[in-house]
Amino acid sequence: QVQLVQSGAEVKKPGSSVKVSCKVFGGTFSTYSITWVRQAPGQGLEWMGRIVPDVAIGNYAQKFQGRVTLTADKSTSTAYMELSYVRFEDTAVYYCATGSGIWSPDYWGQGTLVTVSS
Amino acid sequence: QSALTQPRSVSGSPGQSVTISCTGTSSDVGGYNYVSWYQQYPGKAPKVLIYDVSKRLSGVPDRFSASKSGSTASLTISGLQAEDEADYYCCSYAGSYTSVFGGGTKLTVL
Repeated sequence: QVQLVQSGAEVKKPGSSVKVSCKVFGGTFSTYSITWVRQAPGQGLEWMGRIVPDVAIGNYAQKFQGRVTLTADKSTSTAYMELSYVRFEDTAVYYCATGSGIWSPDYWGQGTLVTVSS
Repeated sequence: QSALTQPRSVSGSPGQSVTISCTGTSSDVGGYNYVSWYQQYPGKAPKVLIYDVSKRLSGVPDRFSASKSGSTASLTISGLQAEDEADYYCCSYAGSYTSVFGGGTKLTVL
């Protein structure tokens, strides 16, 4: 059984960076892509990007190009999402997800709340 | 990459059927057969119900079905049950190894 465990909640000041981790238990970490999705309070889901750990190539939604960096450490089966120059509107729950369905991941982490506050 | 268009809310009585639409463009929904549907309860992570337009994930009741015509995908829930009350999101491959979600639809079971 595949399980994704994300790092804990963060509070960040505007202009700083935040890095969220996602450790994958079970399954084959390198084989499946890791997708990152966020959800602002009371809002819908927003696709941010994905990374294929085996080749360490990330693909990003246009909105996040240049501000989000996805990485993966195969030795620890952990994926990371770093968001730089955070703004108040980046306050959201950030999810990682994976699975055999590249465009429909069926295993999700519990979510990490990132709050941007001055 | 604009969000796909979904109705903000739909409702139905137990036992009835409801359909949620998801409208995109030829660059996403209309261009690829990679539309998925997610169910999300408040405070919980989304759960995929349907992938590749109309394939049900193992364990998903056959009350849930989906299809696509042109640039509009649809999710139909038949025999509505109280537990179906949740938010539903469509998602489509949008080219260049990216995806885009719909704005979400709140389903109320009356």
